[in-house]
Amino acid sequence: DVKVTQSSRYLVKRTGEKVFLECVQDMDHENMFWYRQDPGLGLRLIYFSYDVKMKEKGDIPEGYSVSREKKERFSLILESASTNQTSMYLCASTLQQGGEPQHFGDGTRLSIL
Amino acid sequence: DAKTTQPPSMDCAEGRAANLPCNHSTISGNEYVYWYRQIHSQGPQYIIHGLKNNETNEMASLIITEDRKSSTLILPHATLRDTAVYYCIVRVVNFGNEKLTFGTGTRLTIIP
Repeated sequence: DVKVTQSSRYLVKRTGEKVFLECVQDMDHENMFWYRQDPGLGLRLIYFSYDVKMKEKGDIPEGYSVSREKKERFSLILESASTNQTSMYLCASTLQQGGEPQHFGDGTRLSIL
Repeated sequence: DAKTTQPPSMDCAEGRAANLPCNHSTISGNEYVYWYRQIHSQGPQYIIHGLKNNETNEMASLIITEDRKSSTLILPHATLRDTAVYYCIVRVVNFGNEKLTFGTGTRLTIIP
């Protein structure tokens, strides 16, 4: 079974803090994704990566950065957290192959106070 | 991505088969049908996917009509843990770097 592990289920941080969200997958997947999910807005793609040290902006990259130093690990960084970044953050991974589904972690519910 | 239409909610008795329909009348020949579910406050869980043929795995069966304009997800023996929002998605996947978009889905409630 595919396992995508996010480092925290719940996280509370303060405005202005630098926040790190970690994601690890154990299936040697090339592609990894960070989404946020908000009520009424559905899933929105923040960043994705198709290889080590490679990254592409998604639909809402402002205020975020990412790091992929190893194939299995994809980190999301909130440079200076703001209250509008309070959300559920979801990491996903998939093979770089036609038809393959994305597999998600359990999510991190982040609250910025 | 082709648009999908799902009923907003359904109930099913525990132990019975749950049949969740999805219409995708504008599906293209190279678009797959995927099903995910999301239990409250958890990440989406992949269930099953298919292109043309019916598919079965340990979680569910996927029945795709011959014209591919609709499909049905079948949970053969529903349990209380199957209560969740179920999303049907149709999309082309070439190299796996395409973003995922969920619609509003079907809220399935399993009744004891």
